[in-house]
Amino acid sequence: DTAVSQTPKYLVTQMGNDKSIKCEQNLGHDTMYWYKQDSKKFLKIMFSYNNKELIINETVPNRFSPKSPDKAHLNLHINSLELGDSAVYFCASSHFSGSGNEQFFGPGTRLTVL
Amino acid sequence: GENVEQHPSTLSVQEGDSAVIKCTYSDSASNYFPWYKQELGKRPQLIIDIRSNVGEKKDQRIAVTLNKTAKHFSLHITETQPEDSAVYFCAASIGRDFGNEKLTFGTGTRLTIIP
Repeated sequence: DTAVSQTPKYLVTQMGNDKSIKCEQNLGHDTMYWYKQDSKKFLKIMFSYNNKELIINETVPNRFSPKSPDKAHLNLHINSLELGDSAVYFCASSHFSGSGNEQFFGPGTRLTVL
Repeated sequence: GENVEQHPSTLSVQEGDSAVIKCTYSDSASNYFPWYKQELGKRPQLIIDIRSNVGEKKDQRIAVTLNKTAKHFSLHITETQPEDSAVYFCAASIGRDFGNEKLTFGTGTRLTIIP
């Protein structure tokens, strides 16, 4: 009964390839996020969606394209992968309340670009 | 936009002693301040949070204090145990509208409990 799940857990690929990461939450939340954690452990928001609508896009290169087919899913597609894209990508979800709410994180996807 | 600074970046504490981690934020509109714990190779998990209408909150050995005037908040862990060893992140968000609900994280504190 995993709350927020991501696939794959590990992704190793060559520069220039295109890859996707999938995220699903079964908490009934209405908001989902993608975060990037680099090698120095900095956690930075990339995107957020509320009820399938893109809300936040934090100046991420347009090689990154999120897609939310429904409230429970948020996928991340990355085109033309670069070395600097190597990081751990975390999906998260929360219920929007207007006063801040816990965000539940997925287990992360470790992307390595060679 | 919001900027969150966190200190120290590393902290070693003898088992049983207390640990304090401090954060400052820049946007006075921020009103939600969670703390996350991330063990090696694992996901960040919420350990405690505080909203701007409260000055202090405690949950067993963990407490958080918030000073809105000075725009800083702190995490206090008492009677530390080896399982407290992890990276701790503070965060801030405005939280009242969709566009600002994002969490801005501090740079993390690696806490090591020495047995």
